[in-house]
Amino acid sequence: KNQVEQSPQSLIILEGKNCTLQCNYTVSPFSNLRWYKQDTGRGPVSLTIMTFSENTKSNGRYTATLDADTKQSSLHITASQLSDSASYICVVSRVRAGGTSYGKLTFGQGTILTVHP
Amino acid sequence: GAVVSQHPSWVICKSGTSVKIECRSLDFQATTMFWYRQFPKQSLMLMATSNEGSKATYEQGVEKDKFLINHASLTLSTLTVTSAHPEDSSFYICSARRRSRNTEAFFGQGTRLTVV
Repeated sequence: KNQVEQSPQSLIILEGKNCTLQCNYTVSPFSNLRWYKQDTGRGPVSLTIMTFSENTKSNGRYTATLDADTKQSSLHITASQLSDSASYICVVSRVRAGGTSYGKLTFGQGTILTVHP
Repeated sequence: GAVVSQHPSWVICKSGTSVKIECRSLDFQATTMFWYRQFPKQSLMLMATSNEGSKATYEQGVEKDKFLINHASLTLSTLTVTSAHPEDSSFYICSARRRSRNTEAFFGQGTRLTVV
């Protein structure tokens, strides 16, 4: 069964601290993995997207890693800010029939991050 | 980055009425648009996939007669919730995939529907 599981479900940290969110997936055949940030009442915004051959990608204070062998990804946030409070969603895409690289997305349940001053 | 705009951002309607939500790709052509539903503290659930000029493909358990999807152009898809009931109250999000690129989907800002 194609699944994406994220941990922890929620996390509270102090402003300025670092944190790491985890994502494990069983989606196959794998095409790409994305991390999204979703503010309350808003649509998801893409942070990073990684294909099979990429094992790290950064976007400012966000750094995502991917281990395609163990089917694990992490999102590391450095020097957290109050505005980082949001839900972070890991999304995995399967290879579509015919071998093209975009297919149905499987969403994790998200990690709710709260940054306190 | 590509911009996907939803309208309205929020809507309150009476039970039994119909509500239309628009999803527009503002600066690119979207061959495929996706409609999701999200309940509080849950992840996005795909409702249907629509390709420009053809009928939408609905996920199992989603009533196609209740959630009407039209994708008449490469920049616009609409979701109409017909005969709305309070249990239809939810956050509806669309996403759009570019015509020329097949690795990225861009999300709209979402529409909060409340049925009273």
